[in-house]
This record gives sequence, C-alpha cells and structure tokens, in this order.
Amino acid sequence: DARVTQTPRHKVTEMGQEVTMRCQPILGHNTVFWYRQTMMQGLELLAYFRNRAPLDDSGMPKDRFSAEMPDATLATLKIQPSEPRDSAVYFCASGWSYEQYFGPGTRLTVT
Amino acid sequence: GQQLNQSPQSMFIQEGEDVSMNCTSSSIFNTWLWYKQDPGEGPVLLIALYKAGELTSNGRLTAQFGITRKDSFLNISASIPSDVGIYFCAGQPTGKLIFGQGTTLQVKP
Repeated sequence: DARVTQTPRHKVTEMGQEVTMRCQPILGHNTVFWYRQTMMQGLELLAYFRNRAPLDDSGMPKDRFSAEMPDATLATLKIQPSEPRDSAVYFCASGWSYEQYFGPGTRLTVT
Repeated sequence: GQQLNQSPQSMFIQEGEDVSMNCTSSSIFNTWLWYKQDPGEGPVLLIALYKAGELTSNGRLTAQFGITRKDSFLNISASIPSDVGIYFCAGQPTGKLIFGQGTTLQVKP
C-alpha cells in the first residue's frame, strides 16, 4: 500500500530557528505539492514540482520559505527563520495526473 | 483569485441518514475531486471526476460533476459513525487544485 511519508510528524521550535520538513512521494508519481493548513485559511498551496522542476511557488513567502527536490524520492520544505505565524500543519502530496495523494502532515508549532 | 464555495459548513445528522454537500465555483473547472480528512491525518481522496455530467460512486458515496462545470456534489447514503470528518471538494481549472473550506460532518449514533 504505497503512501506519502512525511517527517517529522510534529515539530516544536522557537522563533528564529530553522525548520526543515521532509517528504517521500509515492514511487512513480511525477508531481509533488506542499500545502499549509490552518483553521483560518484552510488548505493553501505553497509550491509544487513536476519531474523535480519547480512549477509554481507563488503561494510561498519567498523571504523565509524554500522548497526543493534534490531527487525523485525526497522533497524538502525549509523555513528560515521561523515565526509564530508559521504554526500550522504542512502537508506534502504527490500524484501522476490530477489526483493528489496526501501524506500525514507535519504539525509545526513556533513559540 | 478563483474560489470555491462549499456548503454546508457543518452538518450534524443521525446515523442512517443520507447526506448531501456541494461546491460551486465562479469559473469552469476541468476536474473535481472529493477528499475526506480525519483528525490528525491528511486528506484522503474519495472520488475523482473528469467529465461534465459524470456520476461516480465509491461504496455509499456518490459524486457528480455538474453539467455547467462550475459545481459538484457529494452524497453519502445511510451514514455511519465512521463517516465523521471533514469533507473537502477540490477543483482544477488548470494546473493546480483549489480547495473548498470543507464540510464538517458529525454523525450521532
């Protein structure tokens, strides 16, 4: 049963610290997405990649967020420096066409 | 930007009842997807729709792609307690998905 995996599942950090979240997409999927979910904003698309190339990162605060896919089995989302307003659940999703399959998420708390 | 209006925001029903929820858009979508999210988990894909008028079932769930391509609905028949969760519609005009705000479903045994 192929699944998207994300690490860590939970992260508590202090304001100003760097945070790195990792995602292993489902093998064979060529598109990877990063979303952020909050009560106020719902699910927001931060960035996505196709065949490891970044296609759209317009939803991401560029000054502190960065997303990369160093290889087909790993996607990373980095926040530096983190701020309390970054507290949210971050989801990675992967897919082949229009269907996206989500990971379990990383719950980030920035104090 | 493009937005989806999902309704109702929440529902509290009795076990065994049927449920209906829908999403509307101001623009035409090429794809409609329905997801369910349990607490502490990521959304799980329930049904994907690709053609206007398409009606697709997955067990007790049935979803339809509106003929105007601006709406979709999801029906759950004979609800059970494990149907509890948040249901999201998602539409794809081009490229990326846009998600509705979700319908929170509670089922009373």
